[in-house]
Amino acid sequence: AQKITQTQPGMFVQEKEAVTLDCTYDTSDPSYGLFWYKQPSSGEMIFLIYQGSYDQQNATEGRYSLNFQKARKSANLVISASQLGDSAMYFCAMREGNTDKLIFGTGTRLQVFP
Amino acid sequence: DAGITQSPRHKVTETGTPVTLRCHQTENHRYMYWYRQDPGHGLRLIHYSYGVKDTDKGEVSDGYSVSRSKTEDFLLTLESATSSQTSVYFCAIGAGTVYNEQFFGPGTRLTVL
Repeated sequence: AQKITQTQPGMFVQEKEAVTLDCTYDTSDPSYGLFWYKQPSSGEMIFLIYQGSYDQQNATEGRYSLNFQKARKSANLVISASQLGDSAMYFCAMREGNTDKLIFGTGTRLQVFP
Repeated sequence: DAGITQSPRHKVTETGTPVTLRCHQTENHRYMYWYRQDPGHGLRLIHYSYGVKDTDKGEVSDGYSVSRSKTEDFLLTLESATSSQTSVYFCAIGAGTVYNEQFFGPGTRLTVL
C-alpha cells in the first residue's frame, strides 16, 4: 500500500506568489517523521524541511513551511514568494518509528514563471 | 556539502554483465543507503547499511547486493544487469542528527542495453 501520496504531478506558479504542494501519508505508528526534498534539473536531492509527528508547531525554514495537519494525515509544503530557482521536482518522504528508512512519494514538478 | 561521491557518474552496460557502483563518504556516518529513481516511482530503497558489514534489504532489493567493508564505502552490485535496472541510482547518508535526515550523493545514471 502506498504510504506517501503526492496527487499533483505538476504545478505552475507565478514568481513572487505562494504555492502549496500537497502530501498525504498513511501510517499506524504514532512516531514518524516527514521530510521534503527538492530535486532541480541538475539532479541532486536537496533536503528542505522536517516535521516530527510529536512536534506541536509547524516547521519553517526560510521561505519553506510545512502545513502539518495530523488528523488529516497531510504534510503540505508551502513555498512563499516563489522564485525562478524554485522550479524543480519536490518529493515528500516519511520515516516510520525508529527506522531510518525513508518512503518517498512520486513527486510534484513545480514550474515558476515570470 | 555532505561529502558524498558516487562513481561512476554515468555507465552504459550490456544485459548480463556485472556492475558495481561505489558510494564514498568523508563524514564517517554510520548509516548509508542506496536508492533507485524511476519516472512515476519517486525514490525507492534498495539496500541500506547501519555499520561496517551490517546491511539489510529495502523495498526493491531483488537483483542487487551490497557490501560495506569500511565505514566510508558502500558498494552496490548488480550481479547480472537487466534492462529493468536501467535507472538513476542515489546513495545517501544518515545525518546522525535528531532528525536523521538523509543527504544524497550526485547520482549515477546506469543504462543497461
